[in-house]
Amino acid sequence: EVQLVESGGGLVEPGRSRRLSCLTSGFAFGDFTLTWIRQAPGKGLEWVGFSTMKPDGVSTKYAPSVEGRFIISRDDSKSIVYLQMNSLRTDDTAVYYCVLGLGILANWGQGTQVTVSS
Amino acid sequence: DIQMTQSPSTLSASVRDRVTITCRASQNISDSVAWYQQKPGKTPQFLMYKASTLGREVPSRFSGSGSGTQFTLTISGLQPDDFATYYCQQYKNVPFTFGPGTKVDIK
Repeated sequence: EVQLVESGGGLVEPGRSRRLSCLTSGFAFGDFTLTWIRQAPGKGLEWVGFSTMKPDGVSTKYAPSVEGRFIISRDDSKSIVYLQMNSLRTDDTAVYYCVLGLGILANWGQGTQVTVSS
Repeated sequence: DIQMTQSPSTLSASVRDRVTITCRASQNISDSVAWYQQKPGKTPQFLMYKASTLGREVPSRFSGSGSGTQFTLTISGLQPDDFATYYCQQYKNVPFTFGPGTKVDIK
C-alpha cells in the first residue's frame, strides 16, 4: 500500500525558513516522481513543484511563485522527499501535500499545515 | 504559463441530476487533463486522467471528455457522496496548473 506522510509544518515568521519532509513507502521510491501541492486557507490547489529521476540524475521544476525560494530534494536511501522553504512570506501559508506522480496525482499524503505569521 | 478556467464556479444540483463542469485551457494541451474531487477538510482524490480515463475504483457515473482547450467532467446521476469541489489540472507544460475549482452543492 502506498503511503506518504508529511511532517515539519508549523508556525514560522516571515523571512524565515522551514523544511518539510515526506516519508514514503509501498513503492519503488527511486523510480517515481514526487510532487508538492499546496492549498491556502479557503483557496484552490496550487502546484508547487516536483522531483523526478532522469537517466542523468534528478530533475526538479518549480512554480514561478516559489522558484528561487523553495528547493525539493530527495533521499533515495530513506525514501524521503523534502521541501526546503526559504524566505517565507505570509502568502505561503497553506496546507502542503506530498503526492506520488508527475501529471497524474493518484496518491496524496494527508498534508501538513504551514502558517507564516509574525 | 497555461491558465485553466472552470465554469461554473458553483453548481447547485439535486441527487440523481446529471451535472457538467467545463474546464478551459489558455492554449492547446491535447488531452493532458486530470480531474480531482475534494470534500471539505479532506485530501483531494484523483478521478481521471488523459481527459477521460477513469482512475481505479472511480464510479462509472463519472465521465470526461474533450481535447485541445475545452474539457468537461460529467456526473450522470449525482449521488450524496458527490457533493464536493472539483478541480481540473493540466499536465502538458510546466508549471502544471489547476483550475480554480467548481463547488457542487445541494439545491
